[in-house]
Amino acid sequence: NAGVTQTPKFQVLKTGQSMTLQCAQDMNHEYMSWYRQDPGMGLRLIHYSVGAGITDQGEVPNGYNVSRSTTEDFPLRLLSAAPSQTSVYFCASSYSTARQPQHFGDGTRLSIL
Amino acid sequence: QKEVEQDPGPLSVPEGAIVSLNCTYSNSAFQYFMWYRQYSRKGPELLMYTYSSGNKEDGRFTAQVDKSSKYISLFIRDSQPSDSATYLCATMDQGGSEKLVFGKGTKLTVNP
Repeated sequence: NAGVTQTPKFQVLKTGQSMTLQCAQDMNHEYMSWYRQDPGMGLRLIHYSVGAGITDQGEVPNGYNVSRSTTEDFPLRLLSAAPSQTSVYFCASSYSTARQPQHFGDGTRLSIL
Repeated sequence: QKEVEQDPGPLSVPEGAIVSLNCTYSNSAFQYFMWYRQYSRKGPELLMYTYSSGNKEDGRFTAQVDKSSKYISLFIRDSQPSDSATYLCATMDQGGSEKLVFGKGTKLTVNP
């Protein structure tokens, strides 16, 4: 099993550009979530999903969209990149009865110029 | 007041030492307590998970929760250089938002 796979691993964008961070898991987990990790701020929840077709906002959702059309995939879209969105983004998953993330991807390191 | 406070360290210990990592939290509704380990340039991995108060042991690791003082701890016995990582505590309430709140992490280095 691959676990949680995130692509790309690195990305540099210009202010105003849009892009999609991909996340896929092969464990048939219902619960998936996106976090950003910034120095001195810790991990903060952006959006989460409790199953296909269901998404909800986390602590810092502004500037990001998500969708969950399948159990396996949970992409994160940056609508119009801003320098404040420079961060490391982690996708995580867990089975339905465990809300705490059990498996994290290795992250996407995103720089916005 | 931050919901979860964690001393960022860094903490440096010799191999074989007992390590104590600690967090405090402010919300008495928190019922679930987790510790994650994060190696450099990797995603966090779930290390320990406890519910309510008490101790939980897994090999060299012991997680301890004291709800009366809102204090959570992770003890590492016989620490090894491979334990060098950043350790994140996290808490979550039950039946409320069910959203995880993380501490900022403590960076630990175990020197051979």
